[in-house]
Amino acid sequence: GNSVTQMEGPVTLSEEAFLTINCTYTATGYPSLFWYVQYPGEGLQLLLKATKADDKGSNKGFEATYRKETTSFHLEKGSVQVSDSAVYFCALSDVRGSGYSTLTFGKGTMLLVSP
Amino acid sequence: DTGVSQDPRHKITKRGQNVTFRCDPISEHNRLYWYRQTLGQGPEFLTYFQNEAQLEKSRLLSDRFSAERPKGSFSTLEIQRTEQGDSAMYLCASSLAQDRGTPYEQYFGPGTRLTVT
Repeated sequence: GNSVTQMEGPVTLSEEAFLTINCTYTATGYPSLFWYVQYPGEGLQLLLKATKADDKGSNKGFEATYRKETTSFHLEKGSVQVSDSAVYFCALSDVRGSGYSTLTFGKGTMLLVSP
Repeated sequence: DTGVSQDPRHKITKRGQNVTFRCDPISEHNRLYWYRQTLGQGPEFLTYFQNEAQLEKSRLLSDRFSAERPKGSFSTLEIQRTEQGDSAMYLCASSLAQDRGTPYEQYFGPGTRLTVT
């Protein structure tokens, strides 16, 4: 079945450092890929997405490129801020026979950014 | 657009009791999903509704769980005879139908945190 593997956290960085959170996936077919972010006490928010190979999703300075050859969707940001501290989830869509999609999530990676 | 809302936000119950959670999706969204998230894990799919029809139930959804979406609007998730293993965050999400095979974003509510003592 489908699965998503993320690097374990927490990832601890100083403000303005470069961020990479690794994500690899196993899937049949051609899933869409997503990064969601969960701030403390809040629900999941979509951060970015990519729907086909070589697509780059970007939002709020975060980027991720859909790499089919390496089945990866690594999240990067050039300069993190304290406000980026949160849990980040990589996910893929799993298209069902009726055309709807459910999401398969990784375990999440906690990011802690210190001033 | 008020977003997806869930009620209650927190529920503490004793083992063996029944609990019911409510989810109000974004008003124009015809698709509704329930997920469960345990500590240190990502959300896991439980069940899916398109309008009022429940089209899929995960194997995680035991016979003690039941979900409804009357009239294709709000949804309820009931857990009967709760067990300590049911302690988790229960998340609801909604979306529009897909556009030419590309899934629309699922918008998540804040979740209901269930603690079974």
